[in-house]
Amino acid sequence: GQQLNQSPQSMFIQEGEDVSMNCTSSSIFNTWLWYKQDPGEGPVLLIALYKAGELTSNGRLTAQFGITRKDSFLNISASIPSDVGIYFCAGPPGGATNKLIFGTGTLLAVQP
Amino acid sequence: GAVVSQHPSWVICKSGTSVKIECRSLDFQATTMFWYRQFPKQSLMLMATSNEGSKATYEQGVEKDKFLINHASLTLSTLTVTSAHPEDSSFYICSARTHSQGAGQYFGPGTRLTVL
Repeated sequence: GQQLNQSPQSMFIQEGEDVSMNCTSSSIFNTWLWYKQDPGEGPVLLIALYKAGELTSNGRLTAQFGITRKDSFLNISASIPSDVGIYFCAGPPGGATNKLIFGTGTLLAVQP
Repeated sequence: GAVVSQHPSWVICKSGTSVKIECRSLDFQATTMFWYRQFPKQSLMLMATSNEGSKATYEQGVEKDKFLINHASLTLSTLTVTSAHPEDSSFYICSARTHSQGAGQYFGPGTRLTVL
C-alpha cells in the first residue's frame, strides 16, 4: 500500500533555530496535510495544501506542496519550546478524499 | 470551531470485558467519522470509516466483530472494543469531517485503553 515516509525521524534543536522536515511518497497525492500531536493528545491540523507548488504559511510555520506531488515540506522558523511534539504529514491515498494515511512522524525536541 | 470530543479520556478494564468509546463533533455535523489506533512511538493507523446511518468500512486486518462501530447521528460515533485483551491496549483516536472541509479531518483528544 501507499506509505508516507518522513525525515528526519527526530530532531533535537535549540530554541530560536529554524527547522525543516519533509514527507515523501512513492505515489502522487492531491492533498497534503500537516498535523502536530502533543503527548497524549489527538493531532491538530496545522496546514493544508491542495495544489502542486503551493506554499502556505501559518504563523511561523510554512509548508510546501512539492512540484512532483510526491513530497511536501514543513518549515518552522524561530522555534520555541511549545513547538515540541510529533509532526505528521498526511494525505488521501489513491486520490480518494474520504480517508487519510499518516506519515511516520518527526519528533521535535526544543531545548530552551 | 471544528471541535471533536472523546469520552472517556482513559479507561482500564479487565481482559474479556467490552469497552465503549464515544466520539462527538461539538460544533459541526460530521458526515464522516474515522477511528484510528496508535501504538506507542508509532503513527496513526486507520481502523475504520464511519458514515452516518450506514455500516462502517473497516481497513484490512481490522476485525469488524471485535471493533463495533455505530454512527447513529451526525454528531456521535461510538467504538466498542469487545472481549478486550491486553494486546488491544492502545491509544484510540477519532476524527470527523464534513464535505465542506475537504480532505482535512479534525481529531478528538484520544482515549487511552489499558486492558489488564
